[in-house]
Amino acid sequence: IQLTQSPSSLSASVGDRVTITCRASQGISSYLAWYQQKPGKAPKLLIYAASTLQSGVPSRFSGSGSGTDFTLTISSLQPEDFATYYCQQLNSYPPGFTFGPGTKVDIK
Amino acid sequence: QVQLVQSGAEVKKPGASVKVSCKASGYTFTSYGISWVRQAPGQGLEWMGWISAYNGNTNYAQKLQGRVTMTTDTSTSTAYMELRSLRSDDTAVYYCAGLSIAVAGTYYYYYMDVWGKGTTVTVSS
Repeated sequence: IQLTQSPSSLSASVGDRVTITCRASQGISSYLAWYQQKPGKAPKLLIYAASTLQSGVPSRFSGSGSGTDFTLTISSLQPEDFATYYCQQLNSYPPGFTFGPGTKVDIK
Repeated sequence: QVQLVQSGAEVKKPGASVKVSCKASGYTFTSYGISWVRQAPGQGLEWMGWISAYNGNTNYAQKLQGRVTMTTDTSTSTAYMELRSLRSDDTAVYYCAGLSIAVAGTYYYYYMDVWGKGTTVTVSS
């Protein structure tokens, strides 16, 4: 299963609403997670099961979608949100929990 | 607190093998799986595979089949990832991550919620 993300990068300002899209090459129900990664750091889980917010993650992050099309939304971008975001499919069959190529969010 | 502590950086020559460890603490090791992910310099995340700490079952990325072996030692709550026949394009930061499952009815949702800090593996002649 292949994942694509769009855009590959975007520039935004603090307070902007940001939307990142992830598309799967075949249906994966809701078996999708989103991660945030900052330079030199390990990824951090934001969302799993397509729309379930991980404990401790701010509510400005939300996920939606099912099947092949998914969205990560940041409702009001904060300075600490500038990072690269990855989607990951975790469908158990066919086996393989592949990542999308990433979307880099930087400061406008 | 739940944490995964990885072994230190490695420098290897092409053709050699590397074995990275990941020691878990703060939870029941056999209750979850351990996944391995790598990231080449300036590149995205690549899922390598995972192992069940409960029964040792493994699932490897097709690209790495035959070169990678993941194991666990439940007596020390440690997971290991061995990569053989190293090439220059295996140069990367290698992460271990706890693989959890959320159950909703008949659906089982996997996710990786706790990560090690990463181990840098450099392959160079």
